[in-house]
Amino acid sequence: KNEVEQSPQNLTAQEGEFITINCSYSVGISALHWLQQHPGGGIVSLFMLSSGKKKHGRLIATINIQEKHSSLHITASHPRDSAVYICAARRGSEKLVFGKGTKLTVNP
Amino acid sequence: DGGITQSPKYLFRKEGQNVTLSCEQNLNHDAMYWYRQDPGQGLRLIYYSQIVNDFQKGDIAEGYSVSREKKESFPLTVTSAQKNPTAFYLCASSIAPTDPYEQYFGPGTRLTVT
Repeated sequence: KNEVEQSPQNLTAQEGEFITINCSYSVGISALHWLQQHPGGGIVSLFMLSSGKKKHGRLIATINIQEKHSSLHITASHPRDSAVYICAARRGSEKLVFGKGTKLTVNP
Repeated sequence: DGGITQSPKYLFRKEGQNVTLSCEQNLNHDAMYWYRQDPGQGLRLIYYSQIVNDFQKGDIAEGYSVSREKKESFPLTVTSAQKNPTAFYLCASSIAPTDPYEQYFGPGTRLTVT
């Protein structure tokens, strides 16, 4: 079992829908990262959080430390949100452990 | 504009040849990282460097080598000893390696070895 599990693997939505991507991890962490990878391959860091909730525009990330679970929400989804979303867990000062990613396709 | 550059975007090599992937950052970051991405798998750490003239192996260092002679540069050499070198390679950097700072990623280099 991977230390970081994401679900679903693939997600297709219609424009305007509310999107939720889930991330579960099996070890204690110091921070949880959400990343976005566009079809060209470049990766952008969306959030880094260790507790509670963060919001940036239409994106919201939450984390529940006790349940070892984080979610990424996208409100009013748009085709330009189509990308692979990756969560990564950091344990203390150690390296990041990455999930396999969730491929999101938003249709117009 | 500050950022990380990787070149080239696409690279083709014959089996048995060594190849060096470039990674440069002008963010004044101390830490730099090399990851490999294969279809259906999460990113895996090849090597990382916390400071100039020092670097550590990651999870899959076999068949790879790196150098860190300058703060802004962290080139990765894929040697002929790497059994499955065809992959997407991503370079990243962060302010410091020992705190949970964000990592900034380059655009990646897609290496194909035939």
